[in-house]
Amino acid sequence: TQLLEQSPQFLSIQEGENLTVYCNSSSVFSSLQWYRQEPGEGPVLLVTVVTGGEVKKLKRLTFQFGDARKDSSLHITAAQPGDTGLYLCAGGGADGLTFGKGTHLIIQP
Amino acid sequence: NAGVTQTPKFQVLKTGQSMTLQCAQDMNHEYMSWYRQDPGMGLRLIHYSVGAGITDQGEVPNGYNVSRSTTEDFPLRLLSAAPSQTSVYFCASSYVRGFGNSPLHFGNGTRLTVT
Repeated sequence: TQLLEQSPQFLSIQEGENLTVYCNSSSVFSSLQWYRQEPGEGPVLLVTVVTGGEVKKLKRLTFQFGDARKDSSLHITAAQPGDTGLYLCAGGGADGLTFGKGTHLIIQP
Repeated sequence: NAGVTQTPKFQVLKTGQSMTLQCAQDMNHEYMSWYRQDPGMGLRLIHYSVGAGITDQGEVPNGYNVSRSTTEDFPLRLLSAAPSQTSVYFCASSYVRGFGNSPLHFGNGTRLTVT
């Protein structure tokens, strides 16, 4: 069974600060997806990374896939209250997607 | 474009009752799946289907049944509800089995409470 560990589990910071969320595994994944979930809704895809070392930017969010395709990070610059939510990483493999337990992020105004 | 539609949004059951959670998608996706989401446990796969007439078990299948008679619909049946099945249930679909560049599209969930 492939496992994905996300850290931190909870993070509460002030508006304007920077933060990084980590997604780590001992397994190799064919791809790594990041989702964001708001209360009362289903997760929504933010980005997919498929190549080791790949970096993708989505406005103030920067996603990186590790060289060995075992880990990934999400960096948010100048966090805003609208970034508040549950961030989930999911690794792709032969058995489908494996989800991490998520990082609850709160951005205080 | 409706995407993935789940009904009902909320449900309360008594222990031992049965019910069906409905899921429909209008994106012609081959792959459909059911997850449950519990605090501290993340999203866990219950059952999935790679096409009409084909279903398979995920990580936590006990107490649940599924069928896939059409591409669009993938209902989840609780045979005899137990308090341990209190959870938020999500249906999700994608073009293929969820790796590579195929994202999962989620419904907005069904919050189930079993008393």
